[in-house]
Amino acid sequence: GENVEQHPSTLSVQEGDSAVIKCTYSDSASNYFPWYKQELGKRPQLIIDIRSNVGEKKDQRIAVTLNKTAKHFSLHITETQPEDSAVYFCAASRGYRGSNYKLTFGKGTLLTVNP
Amino acid sequence: NAGVTQTPKFRVLKTGQSMTLLCAQDMNHEYMYWYRQDPGMGLRLIHYSVGEGTTAKGEVPDGYNVSRLKKQNFLLGLESAAPSQTSVYFCASSPWDIQGTDTQYFGPGTRLTVL
Repeated sequence: GENVEQHPSTLSVQEGDSAVIKCTYSDSASNYFPWYKQELGKRPQLIIDIRSNVGEKKDQRIAVTLNKTAKHFSLHITETQPEDSAVYFCAASRGYRGSNYKLTFGKGTLLTVNP
Repeated sequence: NAGVTQTPKFRVLKTGQSMTLLCAQDMNHEYMYWYRQDPGMGLRLIHYSVGEGTTAKGEVPDGYNVSRLKKQNFLLGLESAAPSQTSVYFCASSPWDIQGTDTQYFGPGTRLTVL
């Protein structure tokens, strides 16, 4: 089955700096890669996702890049703010076309943005 | 539109007791999932369902049973609770998407402690 590795497990940055979280996956058939943000005591919420036919996607201060050859994808947050502090999870899936309805999650990255 | 709801929010059980966690969604989603979240372990899939009347095992199914008698509800049962089942349980649902993406919407979670 799919295996998703996420690094680093913790990341501390100063407000205004950029943060990068990286994930690698093992299943070459995976074609959908979402990122979830989970604030303390709250539920995970989707913040951005990318499909395998796209190399990069941006949404304001966040962006995701995908390298299918190397089987890794990354989350980039620019101009970090204290409210970006949370646990971030990456995930991978074959999607419905692959008859696989499951997301495999990384173990998460605790991001702390210091004022 | 309440989205995904979970009942109860908190529960304390003694070893050997049984209980059922209820997940309900009002978005007419086809797919529903149960995860457990433990510190440093990310989100691990317990069981999932691809439609009313169907269930399947995930990554960590032992000690749990599920049922999906109605499309909007997904029940998770613990027949004989063990301390190792102390965790936060999240339910999620996902619509059928012609593009093959697996965007999952999470409930608020149930914090279960087994003494």
